[in-house]
Amino acid sequence: EVQLVESGGGLVKPGGSLRLSCAASGFTFSSYNMNWVRQAPGKGLEWVSSISSSSTYIYYADSLKGRFTISRDNAKNSLYLQMNSLRAEDTAVYYCARSDRGWFDPWGQGTLVTVSS
Amino acid sequence: EIVMTQSPATLSVSPGERATLSCRASQSVGSNLVWYQQKPGQAPRLLIYGASTRATGIPARFSGSGSGTEFTLTISSLQSEDFAVYYCQQYNNWPPYTFGQGTKLEIK
Repeated sequence: EVQLVESGGGLVKPGGSLRLSCAASGFTFSSYNMNWVRQAPGKGLEWVSSISSSSTYIYYADSLKGRFTISRDNAKNSLYLQMNSLRAEDTAVYYCARSDRGWFDPWGQGTLVTVSS
Repeated sequence: EIVMTQSPATLSVSPGERATLSCRASQSVGSNLVWYQQKPGQAPRLLIYGASTRATGIPARFSGSGSGTEFTLTISSLQSEDFAVYYCQQYNNWPPYTFGQGTKLEIK
């Protein structure tokens, strides 16, 4: 069974940092592009970042302005999102999702990041 | 950036009836559009890809149509488990991948 499990969310103060992880299982992780998508409370879905299977290509939403860094470790079947200079508007559930020909399938259960003083 | 606009924001339909949800793109995305279903407290689930192909395990009552800038998700006979929020997403021009704002399908 294909499974994605996020971790690392929590409460952080404005200006702080957090590192999210996503553990993948049930498929050949190194063959797939991976993504982070977030959802603010009561809001819609927002694409955050994508990374190609071998980390050659990396893309970010313009709104992040260089504060987030996506990475992966294919030996550990893991995806990461380093988030720095966090703001209140970064408060959201963060999902990791596998790319499948341009869409996202499946998604993990998400991890909640709350930025508040 | 391609802007995706869904309508209506909320749709009230009785169980057993048909629901029609719309998604419009600000420029052509060809057939490179997907639909997701999201229930409260859950991650989104892929329903339709390529504008009209059902994902694995998705019941036949779900169908997608359209191309270019106008797309429709139809649920032919609503079951209780179908009441949820539905999102469209384009993957024709990226980055960024862009989503519609969602349509909440509620019980009438």
